Amino acid sequence: NAGVTQTPKFQVLKTGQSMTLQCAQDMNHEYMSWYRQDPGMGLRLIHYSVGAGITDQGEVPNGYNVSRSTTEDFPLRLLSAAPSQTSVYFCASTKDRGLGYTFGSGTRLTVV
Amino acid sequence: GESVGLHLPTLSVQEGDNSIINCAYSNSASDYFIWYKQESGKGPQFIIDIRSNMDKRQGQRVTVLLNKTVKHLSLQIAATQPGDSAVYFCAERLNTGNQFYFGTGTSLTVIP
Repeated sequence: NAGVTQTPKFQVLKTGQSMTLQCAQDMNHEYMSWYRQDPGMGLRLIHYSVGAGITDQGEVPNGYNVSRSTTEDFPLRLLSAAPSQTSVYFCASTKDRGLGYTFGSGTRLTVV
Repeated sequence: GESVGLHLPTLSVQEGDNSIINCAYSNSASDYFIWYKQESGKGPQFIIDIRSNMDKRQGQRVTVLLNKTVKHLSLQIAATQPGDSAVYFCAERLNTGNQFYFGTGTSLTVIP
């Protein structure tokens, strides 16, 4: 198993550009989440999904969209990038609500 | 959002000593807690978890203690090794949902 795979690892965007951060897991996990990590602020939940076709907002959803058309994939879309979205983004998944999450290795995004 | 805080942002210990990392949480409705370890440039890695119906749980060289009365969580690492140097996060989950709230992290440095 590859676990949780995130691409790209690094990305630089200009303000106003859009892009999609990819996340895929091969563990047949139902639950998937996107977090952003900023210095001194820990990880904050952006969006999450409890299964294919079901998504919901987390703490900081503004400026981001998600979809979950398959169990394996959970892409995160930045609609119009802003410097405030400069961060490290982590995707995570778990098989069951009662278990901890497995995290990907992250995407470091810089918006200039 | 929920407040999950750590008492000390940095901790330095001598190799072989025991380490204790503390975490305060604010919501008495939280029913599940996880400690994660994050090494530089990597995603968080699950260490140990504990549910609210327990006050102690042990793993290999790690012990988590939960004090619901004062809403406090601690991670004890026995015989700390250089490979334990990392940032440690606690995360809590409310019993009403699937969102985890993370603390800001404690940076542990092991001195050889």
